Amino acid sequence: DFQMTQFPSTLSASVGDRVTITCRASQNINDWLAWYQQRPGRAPKLLIYRTSTLEEEVPSRFSGSGSGTEFTLTISSLQPDDFATYYCHHYTSHSGGTFGPGTKVDVK
Amino acid sequence: QVTLTESGPALVKPTETLTLTCTVSGFSLSNARMAVSWVRQPPGKALEWLAHIFPGDTKSYNTSLQSRLTISKDTSKGQVVLSMTNMGPEDSGTYYCARVRRWLQCIDYWGQGTLVTVSS
Repeated sequence: DFQMTQFPSTLSASVGDRVTITCRASQNINDWLAWYQQRPGRAPKLLIYRTSTLEEEVPSRFSGSGSGTEFTLTISSLQPDDFATYYCHHYTSHSGGTFGPGTKVDVK
Repeated sequence: QVTLTESGPALVKPTETLTLTCTVSGFSLSNARMAVSWVRQPPGKALEWLAHIFPGDTKSYNTSLQSRLTISKDTSKGQVVLSMTNMGPEDSGTYYCARVRRWLQCIDYWGQGTLVTVSS
């Protein structure tokens, strides 16, 4: 079965910190990976698609990298709005989507 | 402006069938570059992709829930309907409909979600 894993599951950080979240796919997905931010009680928000392309109006402190089976989301300088849960997601038109289990970024 | 709005019952009984409707605006369900997915999220847990439907009526389902799910659409009304049979307490959560950018293989717009509780 295809799976996505993420680590860490929880990350404690302070405003201004550089934060990195890792997502791993159980098989090669090329660069078909997106990242979403979800604040409590809200719908997810697309941050990055195709591994590294920033969605419109997403701040440039967010960046994505990787290929194949290992991917990272980096926040270069954490801001108060960034305390949230982050999900990676692989989707194909053929077989649908699989989300990672999420990484919660909370206040240290 | 793209919007997706979910509607349906907030409470269903165990073994009942859940039917949810997603009404879209700002894009057409006949647009070949788009699709609509359903995603759910149990309280305090991760997102789970459920199903999608394409303009040509091609459908895909989460393999572990496939036997219980049916997705359909009415293009003229701008509506996508998801049915899930034999609901149990573990199916409680927020159900989202979302638009898929097919050529970039990502979900770009989400509805606000509708909370469904399964309880007798």
